[in-house]
Amino acid sequence: QQQVKQSPQSLIVQKGGIPIINCAYENTAFDYFPWYQQFPGKGPALLIAIRPDVSEKKEGRFTISFNKSAKQFSLHIMDSQPGDSATYFCAASRSRGTSYGKLTFGQGTILTVHP
Amino acid sequence: NAGVTQTPKFQVLKTGQSMTLQCAQDMNHEYMSWYRQDPGMGLRLIHYSVGAGITDQGEVPNGYNVSRSTTEDFPLRLLSAAPSQTSVYFCASSSRGPTSYEQYFGPGTRLTVT
Repeated sequence: QQQVKQSPQSLIVQKGGIPIINCAYENTAFDYFPWYQQFPGKGPALLIAIRPDVSEKKEGRFTISFNKSAKQFSLHIMDSQPGDSATYFCAASRSRGTSYGKLTFGQGTILTVHP
Repeated sequence: NAGVTQTPKFQVLKTGQSMTLQCAQDMNHEYMSWYRQDPGMGLRLIHYSVGAGITDQGEVPNGYNVSRSTTEDFPLRLLSAAPSQTSVYFCASSSRGPTSYEQYFGPGTRLTVT
């Protein structure tokens, strides 16, 4: 059972465009929502993360929007660059007790930014 | 700091063979985990450990064993490899911080079972 659903599977934009990747979760006990970026042949690396007490978080050109009532969150990449071409994963976990490291990942989105 | 290291980078096994994937971290993290990555399925948790001597199952534990005798090392053992275990395996470690729980991933091991 996929508890975190991510869309789209792939996304192509032109340089300067604003790709948006969406995720929906089912488990209301989740309270930590990170996004990971993965380049070919490398392990995933944390990009940005949000907790459900805020509706938006920005770090540089990356923004997470969070809708707790809809159980959805999304990643926006402003002024996208060819170097942003990578696979992006959303994830969710519970931060209490020993569950904080048990990430449930979405299926991933392959982003291509054309020059 | 080397971060999270994994060996080998690539491995080919025949069905029924056994092997151990090595993982080590030098950040003194208490939490370590193993994921497998398959196309279209994201990363799925196999086993995890919250400290030396403590391990537990994740989402897809069947066919895999783990142990954690030290804080630094968390090996993953395949007892009898099957073609369904062909995948890319990632080890990760993390430590609980005040506001974040960043997991640091290793470079991965690409395993093919024929």
